Amino acid sequence: GAGVSQSPSNKVTEKGKDVELRCDPISGHTALYWYRQSLGQGLEFLIYFQGNSAPDKSGLPSDRFSAERTGGSVSTLTIQRTQQEDSAVYLCASSLAREGDEQFFGPGTRLTVL
Amino acid sequence: AQSVTQLDSQVPVFEEAPVELRCNYSSSVSVYLFWYVQYPNQGLQLLLKYLSGSTLVESINGFEAEFNKSQTSFHLRKPSVHISDTAEYFCAVTWSYNTDKLIFGTGTRLQVFP
Repeated sequence: GAGVSQSPSNKVTEKGKDVELRCDPISGHTALYWYRQSLGQGLEFLIYFQGNSAPDKSGLPSDRFSAERTGGSVSTLTIQRTQQEDSAVYLCASSLAREGDEQFFGPGTRLTVL
Repeated sequence: AQSVTQLDSQVPVFEEAPVELRCNYSSSVSVYLFWYVQYPNQGLQLLLKYLSGSTLVESINGFEAEFNKSQTSFHLRKPSVHISDTAEYFCAVTWSYNTDKLIFGTGTRLQVFP
């Protein structure tokens, strides 16, 4: 079956522009997660959705970052007024939300802010 | 707060040699432990996980990890590595009572030489 998909695969933007990153989770997965992978920082948690609600937004680095999920499926991560330090690979994962379940990861979106 | 430490950022090894990738965690509550692998130019994939029961868990490609509660460790081992095992390996932990975020270590790059 289809895995987690993310688009675009690569995004190059200029400092100060807004960007939107999209994630399509595995069908039926109620939990959705966003992580960021950058050099020197490893993999950092950003936000967790259960259905359309976000009970844990503790990893969002600033108020320039926001995310939403609609219909319990697709999620978008928006970064406003991008900065060079936002350059990273943004990973999306989904799971069935049962205790101990595996999180299935998408291929990521590589964001480069010039 | 939970944290995960992977002491070795890089582990070079010759083909058919044994390897151990170290992972230590800190947590005041029960945890679930995971090893994820990221092959070159690919997404993160689950290698193995410990939830409960036998402290020794195995993957289908010959890796094994042992949960040691007293030493708060979850080291990954393979008795004989192949060139194809070259990848980045991430240890991760989550609380055992919810389905929230994974806390990742900084990763260990395993480089297998012929």
